[in-house]
Amino acid sequence: QKEVEQNSGPLSVPEGAIASLNCTYSDRGSQSFFWYRQYSGKSPELIMSIYSNGDKEDGRFTAQLNKASQYVSLLIRDSQPSDSATYLCAVRLGDTGRRALTFGSGTRLQVQP
Amino acid sequence: GAVVSQHPSWVICKSGTSVKIECRSLDFQATTMFWYRQFPKQSLMLMATSNEGSKATYEQGVEKDKFLINHASLTLSTLTVTSAHPEDSSFYICSAGLGAGVFHEQYFGPGTRLTVT
Repeated sequence: QKEVEQNSGPLSVPEGAIASLNCTYSDRGSQSFFWYRQYSGKSPELIMSIYSNGDKEDGRFTAQLNKASQYVSLLIRDSQPSDSATYLCAVRLGDTGRRALTFGSGTRLQVQP
Repeated sequence: GAVVSQHPSWVICKSGTSVKIECRSLDFQATTMFWYRQFPKQSLMLMATSNEGSKATYEQGVEKDKFLINHASLTLSTLTVTSAHPEDSSFYICSAGLGAGVFHEQYFGPGTRLTVT
């Protein structure tokens, strides 16, 4: 089992729809969770961080965390063609004090005009 | 805020030569920086964690004598690829850490595309 798992996609949604991206992780002791967006040929950009169970909203983005079920999700409302990118879920696994993140393989999102 | 730069953005070098890549945090101090490599259509692979003033911690399978990392100050880390070979051609990306404890976040530089001929 991979430590951080994401569906590779592509996830295709029409413009204006809600895109839902999911991620599961293996280590129940994990406390820090991040979503990055990576456009083709570019480096990742941090778009959301979440540390507590529940929802965290920032503009059109909502991150959701459920530690009991070990999953974290990202909702993108009113999806735009410019949202087309690969979305990387990153988790700081466990409680070892190690600062490094473990990344999922990413979900490619395509927003159709 | 939290801007990270990398230089150069792309480099072409001949097999057997060395290449140095710089990573700078422009508007914050980063006690920890990270170096990643990404091959086409693959996910990020962490190469090493670099702490200011101390030796880097390399991930399993990464040759520390080939990929030299120096974190000389709170705003600068360098990666030197020594005796580069075509298989080292990749997208090298650094990130700089901001915040403490569970709130430590990583901000990425724009990356350096290395081609070894």
